[in-house]
Amino acid sequence: AQSVTQPDIHITVSEGASLELRCNYSYGATPYLFWYVQSPGQGLQLLLKYFSGDTLVQGIKGFEAEFKRSQSSFNLRKPSVHWSDAAEYFCAVGPSNDYKLSFGAGTTVTVRA
Amino acid sequence: DAGITQSPRYKITETGRQVTLMCHQTWSHSYMFWYRQDLGHGLRLIYYSAAADITDKGEVPDGYVVSRSKTENFPLTLESATRSQTSVYFCAGRRGDAGNEQFFGPGTRLTVL
Repeated sequence: AQSVTQPDIHITVSEGASLELRCNYSYGATPYLFWYVQSPGQGLQLLLKYFSGDTLVQGIKGFEAEFKRSQSSFNLRKPSVHWSDAAEYFCAVGPSNDYKLSFGAGTTVTVRA
Repeated sequence: DAGITQSPRYKITETGRQVTLMCHQTWSHSYMFWYRQDLGHGLRLIYYSAAADITDKGEVPDGYVVSRSKTENFPLTLESATRSQTSVYFCAGRRGDAGNEQFFGPGTRLTVL
């Protein structure tokens, strides 16, 4: 069965600093990997996804993620955080031949001035 | 805009009452999903549907019922609400030509007293 672990429950970062959110997955083959963002009171919005090919994936809002098969990881990064990046971030994994996703518990990002 | 609307956005009900959460989509999503979001658990799949009149259980289906008589609607019913069903409920859709990417509605916050 597939599973996702987001080791950091809460991260606080200063505006303008870099951000990295960790995601580790468990799956027998190469999965489809996703990062979603949820702003307060909103639904989830897709930031980026990895299906195959280049292991460094660019997404919206200046985010990128790197798939590392050897580490079963798909960490999300942003070089310079803006106050509007304060939100909850979810990593998700799904098999290539199925439609169900498994979500991590989420990481809440607080941005301080 | 993910083409998915949910109603109501907020609902307060009492233990033992039946309540139905509505989900409507306008993007011809073939697959539709219901998740609940609870602190520390991320999103957990309740039920999903591959097409009209085809539904199946997810990870946490107990106490819930779904139907999908029309492709565009996917209501979730709590037959006899319990306090443990207090949560935020998200409906999501997946288009057949978009890999495994899911698009989310804005959510319904349900409180069971």
